[in-house]
Amino acid sequence: AQSVAQPEDQVNVAEGNPLTVKCTYSVSGNPYLFWYVQYPNRGLQFLLKYITGDNLVKGSYGFEAEFNKSQTSFHLKKPSALVSDSALYFCAVRDIQAAGNKLTFGGGTRVLVKP
Amino acid sequence: NAGVTQTPKFRVLKTGQSMTLLCAQDMNHEYMYWYRQDPGMGLRLIHYSVGEGTTAKGEVPDGYNVSRLKKQNFLLGLESAAPSQTSVYFCASTLWTGGVGELFFGEGSRLTVL
Repeated sequence: AQSVAQPEDQVNVAEGNPLTVKCTYSVSGNPYLFWYVQYPNRGLQFLLKYITGDNLVKGSYGFEAEFNKSQTSFHLKKPSALVSDSALYFCAVRDIQAAGNKLTFGGGTRVLVKP
Repeated sequence: NAGVTQTPKFRVLKTGQSMTLLCAQDMNHEYMYWYRQDPGMGLRLIHYSVGEGTTAKGEVPDGYNVSRLKKQNFLLGLESAAPSQTSVYFCASTLWTGGVGELFFGEGSRLTVL
Protein backbone atom coordinates (compact mmCIF):
# COMPACT_ATOMS: atom_id res chain seq x y z
CA ALA A 1 0.00 0.00 0.00
CA GLN A 2 1.10 3.56 -0.60
CA SER A 3 0.22 6.67 1.39
CA VAL A 4 1.05 10.34 1.67
CA ALA A 5 0.89 12.69 4.63
CA GLN A 6 0.83 16.46 4.51
CA PRO A 7 1.04 17.43 8.19
CA GLU A 8 0.01 21.07 7.78
CA ASP A 9 -3.50 22.05 6.75
CA GLN A 10 -2.38 25.61 6.11
CA VAL A 11 0.89 27.50 5.77
CA ASN A 12 1.03 31.26 6.11
CA VAL A 13 4.01 33.19 4.80
CA ALA A 14 4.82 36.80 4.02
CA GLU A 15 5.54 37.73 0.44
CA GLY A 16 9.26 37.52 -0.29
CA ASN A 17 9.90 34.97 2.46
CA PRO A 18 10.83 31.33 1.82
CA LEU A 19 7.97 28.89 1.46
CA THR A 20 8.07 25.24 2.50
CA VAL A 21 5.24 22.73 2.22
CA LYS A 22 5.90 19.41 3.90
CA CYS A 23 5.19 15.93 2.57
CA THR A 24 6.08 12.47 3.81
CA TYR A 25 5.27 9.24 2.03
CA SER A 26 5.10 5.50 2.50
CA VAL A 27 5.56 2.90 -0.23
CA SER A 28 6.71 -0.68 -0.22
CA GLY A 29 9.25 -0.13 -2.99
CA ASN A 30 10.79 2.88 -4.66
CA PRO A 31 8.59 5.93 -5.12
CA TYR A 32 7.62 8.26 -7.89
CA LEU A 33 6.73 11.58 -6.24
CA PHE A 34 4.73 14.52 -7.53
CA TRP A 35 3.54 17.96 -6.51
CA TYR A 36 0.39 19.55 -7.90
CA VAL A 37 -1.17 22.95 -7.30
CA GLN A 38 -4.87 23.83 -7.38
CA TYR A 39 -6.15 27.37 -7.78
CA PRO A 40 -9.75 28.18 -6.76
CA ASN A 41 -12.39 26.46 -8.88
CA ARG A 42 -9.76 24.88 -11.12
CA GLY A 43 -8.33 21.45 -11.70
CA LEU A 44 -4.93 20.36 -10.41
CA GLN A 45 -1.84 21.49 -12.30
CA PHE A 46 1.43 19.58 -12.34
CA LEU A 47 4.39 21.35 -10.69
CA LEU A 48 7.21 18.82 -10.57
CA LYS A 49 8.13 15.19 -10.10
CA TYR A 50 10.88 13.00 -8.75
CA ILE A 51 11.62 9.80 -10.60
CA THR A 52 15.28 9.07 -10.01
CA GLY A 53 18.64 10.82 -9.92
CA ASP A 54 19.31 14.20 -8.34
CA ASN A 55 17.50 14.61 -5.04
CA LEU A 56 16.73 18.26 -5.78
CA VAL A 57 14.06 18.62 -8.43
CA LYS A 58 13.21 21.92 -10.09
CA GLY A 59 9.75 22.61 -11.44
CA SER A 60 7.37 25.27 -12.67
CA TYR A 61 6.96 28.81 -11.31
CA GLY A 62 10.26 28.70 -9.37
CA PHE A 63 9.30 25.76 -7.17
CA GLU A 64 11.67 22.98 -6.23
CA ALA A 65 11.43 19.90 -4.05
CA GLU A 66 13.97 17.84 -2.17
CA PHE A 67 13.72 14.07 -2.05
CA ASN A 68 15.05 12.55 1.17
CA LYS A 69 14.94 8.77 1.12
CA SER A 70 16.04 8.24 4.72
CA GLN A 71 13.32 10.56 6.02
CA THR A 72 10.79 9.46 3.35
CA SER A 73 10.07 13.11 2.64
CA PHE A 74 9.53 15.24 -0.44
CA HIS A 75 9.11 18.82 0.75
CA LEU A 76 8.15 21.56 -1.68
CA LYS A 77 10.10 24.82 -1.50
CA LYS A 78 10.25 28.25 -3.03
CA PRO A 79 12.96 30.72 -2.04
CA SER A 80 10.78 33.83 -2.32
CA ALA A 81 6.99 33.46 -2.17
CA LEU A 82 4.57 35.57 -4.22
CA VAL A 83 0.99 36.50 -3.39
CA SER A 84 0.01 34.62 -6.55
CA ASP A 85 1.41 31.40 -5.00
CA SER A 86 -1.61 31.32 -2.68
CA ALA A 87 -3.34 28.06 -3.56
CA LEU A 88 -3.92 24.47 -2.46
CA TYR A 89 -0.92 22.18 -2.86
CA PHE A 90 -1.05 18.40 -3.12
CA CYS A 91 1.74 15.87 -2.78
CA ALA A 92 1.25 12.52 -4.50
CA VAL A 93 3.11 9.22 -4.61
CA ARG A 94 3.13 6.17 -6.76
CA ASP A 95 4.88 2.93 -5.97
CA ILE A 96 6.98 1.97 -8.99
CA GLN A 97 5.61 -1.54 -8.80
CA ALA A 98 1.95 -0.53 -8.51
CA ALA A 99 -0.24 -1.29 -11.51
CA GLY A 100 -2.27 1.28 -13.38
CA ASN A 101 -0.03 4.28 -12.73
CA LYS A 102 -2.26 5.10 -9.77
CA LEU A 103 -1.33 8.11 -7.70
CA THR A 104 -2.20 8.46 -4.03
CA PHE A 105 -2.70 12.06 -2.94
CA GLY A 106 -2.18 13.73 0.39
CA GLY A 107 -4.91 15.78 2.02
CA GLY A 108 -3.57 19.05 0.67
CA THR A 109 -1.96 22.11 2.24
CA ARG A 110 -3.44 25.54 1.75
CA VAL A 111 -0.79 28.21 1.26
CA LEU A 112 -1.61 31.82 2.03
CA VAL A 113 0.97 34.40 1.03
CA LYS A 114 0.32 37.78 2.58
CA PRO A 115 1.52 41.03 1.00
CA ASN B 1 -6.07 21.89 -27.83
CA ALA B 2 -8.73 21.50 -25.13
CA GLY B 3 -6.90 18.94 -22.94
CA VAL B 4 -9.32 17.29 -20.51
CA THR B 5 -12.94 18.46 -20.61
CA GLN B 6 -15.60 17.53 -18.07
CA THR B 7 -19.35 17.96 -18.46
CA PRO B 8 -21.42 19.09 -16.71
CA LYS B 9 -19.54 21.50 -14.45
CA PHE B 10 -22.37 21.74 -11.92
CA ARG B 11 -25.30 19.51 -11.10
CA VAL B 12 -27.84 19.20 -8.33
CA LEU B 13 -29.58 15.86 -7.84
CA LYS B 14 -32.19 14.49 -5.51
CA THR B 15 -31.47 11.33 -3.57
CA GLY B 16 -32.11 8.31 -5.76
CA GLN B 17 -31.69 10.06 -9.09
CA SER B 18 -29.12 8.92 -11.61
CA MET B 19 -26.65 10.83 -13.73
CA THR B 20 -23.54 10.48 -15.86
CA LEU B 21 -20.43 12.63 -15.86
CA LEU B 22 -18.53 12.77 -19.12
CA CYS B 23 -14.78 13.17 -19.44
CA ALA B 24 -13.20 13.75 -22.82
CA GLN B 25 -9.51 14.11 -23.64
CA ASP B 26 -7.94 15.00 -26.95
CA MET B 27 -4.33 14.07 -26.13
CA ASN B 28 -4.55 10.42 -27.18
CA HIS B 29 -3.85 9.33 -23.61
CA GLU B 30 -4.15 5.69 -22.68
CA TYR B 31 -4.86 6.06 -18.97
CA MET B 32 -7.87 7.86 -17.53
CA TYR B 33 -9.03 8.33 -13.96
CA TRP B 34 -11.95 9.57 -11.91
CA TYR B 35 -11.22 11.14 -8.53
CA ARG B 36 -13.43 12.77 -5.95
CA GLN B 37 -12.24 15.67 -3.82
CA ASP B 38 -13.60 16.25 -0.35
CA PRO B 39 -12.36 18.83 2.19
CA GLY B 40 -9.36 17.59 4.17
CA MET B 41 -9.30 14.26 2.38
CA GLY B 42 -7.41 15.15 -0.74
CA LEU B 43 -8.29 13.28 -3.90
CA ARG B 44 -9.49 9.70 -3.73
CA LEU B 45 -9.49 7.43 -6.74
CA ILE B 46 -12.91 6.08 -7.73
CA HIS B 47 -12.22 4.10 -10.92
CA TYR B 48 -9.61 4.14 -13.62
CA SER B 49 -8.95 2.78 -17.08
CA VAL B 50 -5.70 1.68 -18.69
CA GLY B 51 -7.11 1.60 -22.19
CA GLU B 52 -10.19 1.50 -24.37
CA GLY B 53 -12.64 -1.14 -23.20
CA THR B 54 -10.97 -1.67 -19.81
CA THR B 55 -11.86 -0.35 -16.37
CA ALA B 56 -10.74 -1.07 -12.82
CA LYS B 57 -11.76 -0.15 -9.29
CA GLY B 58 -9.92 2.43 -7.28
CA GLU B 59 -10.01 3.30 -3.61
CA VAL B 60 -13.71 4.28 -3.31
CA PRO B 61 -15.68 2.59 -6.12
CA ASP B 62 -18.95 1.79 -4.32
CA GLY B 63 -22.00 3.54 -5.78
CA TYR B 64 -20.26 4.38 -9.05
CA ASN B 65 -19.89 2.72 -12.43
CA VAL B 66 -17.69 3.63 -15.37
CA SER B 67 -17.30 2.89 -19.05
CA ARG B 68 -14.54 3.48 -21.58
CA LEU B 69 -16.09 2.61 -24.94
CA LYS B 70 -13.90 5.08 -26.81
CA LYS B 71 -10.28 5.90 -26.03
CA GLN B 72 -10.98 9.59 -25.66
CA ASN B 73 -14.00 9.30 -23.35
CA PHE B 74 -14.39 8.05 -19.78
CA LEU B 75 -17.89 8.12 -18.27
CA LEU B 76 -18.71 8.07 -14.56
CA GLY B 77 -22.21 7.02 -13.61
CA LEU B 78 -24.22 7.27 -10.43
CA GLU B 79 -27.17 4.89 -10.58
CA SER B 80 -28.86 6.02 -7.36
CA ALA B 81 -27.34 9.16 -5.94
CA ALA B 82 -26.84 9.55 -2.18
CA PRO B 83 -25.97 12.67 -0.14
CA SER B 84 -22.58 11.09 0.64
CA GLN B 85 -21.76 11.47 -3.05
CA THR B 86 -21.88 15.25 -2.79
CA SER B 87 -18.39 16.18 -3.89
CA VAL B 88 -16.22 17.68 -6.59
CA TYR B 89 -15.29 15.13 -9.21
CA PHE B 90 -12.12 15.35 -11.25
CA CYS B 91 -11.17 13.44 -14.34
CA ALA B 92 -7.52 13.02 -15.26
CA SER B 93 -5.54 11.36 -18.01
CA THR B 94 -1.96 10.45 -18.76
CA LEU B 95 0.11 9.00 -21.53
CA TRP B 96 1.85 5.77 -20.66
CA THR B 97 5.55 6.62 -20.49
CA GLY B 98 6.90 3.71 -18.54
CA GLY B 99 4.93 4.71 -15.51
CA VAL B 100 6.25 8.20 -14.91
CA GLY B 101 3.77 10.38 -16.73
CA GLU B 102 2.11 13.18 -14.84
CA LEU B 103 -1.67 13.48 -14.77
CA PHE B 104 -3.58 16.14 -16.69
CA PHE B 105 -6.76 17.19 -14.90
CA GLY B 106 -10.09 18.57 -15.99
CA GLU B 107 -11.64 21.61 -14.31
CA GLY B 108 -13.93 19.55 -12.11
CA SER B 109 -17.64 18.78 -11.80
CA ARG B 110 -19.39 19.92 -8.63
CA LEU B 111 -22.21 17.57 -7.67
CA THR B 112 -24.71 18.22 -4.90
CA VAL B 113 -27.10 15.48 -3.81
CA LEU B 114 -30.04 16.68 -1.73
